[in-house]
Amino acid sequence: DGGITQSPKYLFRKEGQNVTLSCEQNLNHDAMYWYRQDPGQGLRLIYYSQIVNDFQKGDIAEGYSVSREKKESFPLTVTSAQKNPTAFYLCASHPRGLASRDEQYFGPGTRLTVT
Amino acid sequence: KQEVTQIPAALSVPEGENLVLNCSFTDSAIYNLQWFRQDPGKGLTSLLLIQSSQREQTSGRLNASLDKSSGRSTLYIAASQPGDSATYLCAVPSQGGSEKLVFGKGTKLTVNP
Repeated sequence: DGGITQSPKYLFRKEGQNVTLSCEQNLNHDAMYWYRQDPGQGLRLIYYSQIVNDFQKGDIAEGYSVSREKKESFPLTVTSAQKNPTAFYLCASHPRGLASRDEQYFGPGTRLTVT
Repeated sequence: KQEVTQIPAALSVPEGENLVLNCSFTDSAIYNLQWFRQDPGKGLTSLLLIQSSQREQTSGRLNASLDKSSGRSTLYIAASQPGDSATYLCAVPSQGGSEKLVFGKGTKLTVNP
C-alpha cells in the first residue's frame, strides 16, 4: 500500500530535549511538507522540500530543523529552542509541488507532548 | 497575504439533511482549491481538488464548487450520515502560486442519528 507513515503516533519528551519525528513516503513524491496543528489555529507550515538536499522555511520554522537526504524521507527535529513544542505534527507529500494538478497527501500525524 | 476563512466553525445537523460548508479566500490567483476531511486525532484525507478552470467537482454525495472571482468555495454534502461527522478543511496555494498551502481553521460537523 502506498502512503505516508509517521512514527511514533505519540511522543513524550522533557523540556530542553531535542526530539526527531519521522516521516516516510513510498509514493515517489518529490515534495514533502511538515505542518503543525494546534487547537483553534488550523495548520501552519513549518518546512517544505521540493527535491532531495533542498528545503525551505515555512511560516513557523523557528526552533525546528529538517533534512532531506533521501526522496522518501523528511525527518523533523524539534529543538529545545522551540518555545511551545506540544502540538500535533503532520507530514504531507505532493507529486511535483503544488503548482501541479495533483492533491496533497497527509500522514497520520504524531502528537508530541513536552513537559 | 492569502487568508482562508471557513464558516461556520461548527455545525450540528440531524441525519439525512443536506448541508453546505463555506470557504472564502482573499487572493483569487489560485491554481486550485482542495477540501479535506479530518477525524479526531488523525491526519487529513483529501476529498476533492478543484482546478482553477473548473466550477464544480463531485465525488459520491460530495459536491464542491469554486467561484474564483468572488473568492469562495462551497462543499455540499447530500443526505448526511453520522459517519460524515468530522472536521472539514479547505486549502489553497498561497499568493504567487508558491509551494505552500494555506488552510482554513475548519468546520466541525456533527451528524446526529
